Amino acid sequence: GAVVSQHPSWVICKSGTSVKIECRSLDFQATTMFWYRQFPKQSLMLMATSNEGSKATYEQGVEKDKFLINHASLTLSTLTVTSAHPEDSSFYICSARDSHQPQHFGDGTRLSIL
Amino acid sequence: KNQVEQSPQSLIILEGKNCTLQCNYTVSPFSNLRWYKQDTGRGPVSLTIMTFSENTKSNRRYTATLDADTKQSSLHITASQLSDSASYICVVSAAYNTDKLIFGTGTRLQVFP
Repeated sequence: GAVVSQHPSWVICKSGTSVKIECRSLDFQATTMFWYRQFPKQSLMLMATSNEGSKATYEQGVEKDKFLINHASLTLSTLTVTSAHPEDSSFYICSARDSHQPQHFGDGTRLSIL
Repeated sequence: KNQVEQSPQSLIILEGKNCTLQCNYTVSPFSNLRWYKQDTGRGPVSLTIMTFSENTKSNRRYTATLDADTKQSSLHITASQLSDSASYICVVSAAYNTDKLIFGTGTRLQVFP
């Protein structure tokens, strides 16, 4: 149980493009979803926390206009990297939880901006 | 400052051997400690979750220990397999915000035949 799915798993796009990443909880209703970014050989860094139906809470230093988060349903959250540039290239990982269990992580999305 | 430190940073062992990874934390007040396995290019997968009152927890060939007094944890892997090659991450939650996970930098384990 507690499966979290991310899509796409890998995306390559040109600089200036906006990219949308989806995170779905497949077998539970996720009251809270989290978005992380991980650079090579580093720990996961929390970008933002989103609760269904409300605005996301961003961590210090994360631009909310750059990383748009939507959590419109209990099973889906999306992260849109707007006008992506090479420095946005990273591994983006979502996690989700309900009120009964801890966070379960998706398999991540490798974003490469050319 | 809440921190989680892991050692060693990297480890190479031969298939079939055992190994132990260490985690020290300064998180307070403590809620729980988790060990995750992260394969290259994949998301973290939970191995064990331990609360204050738990000293040992096993999951197949993985055994985690927790000493809440010294704020130390270990992850012991028995009879290693090639598929154990991955990063192992120690993650601690503070009682005042269990959603804010505090990640260690991980131990990169490589198992060779």
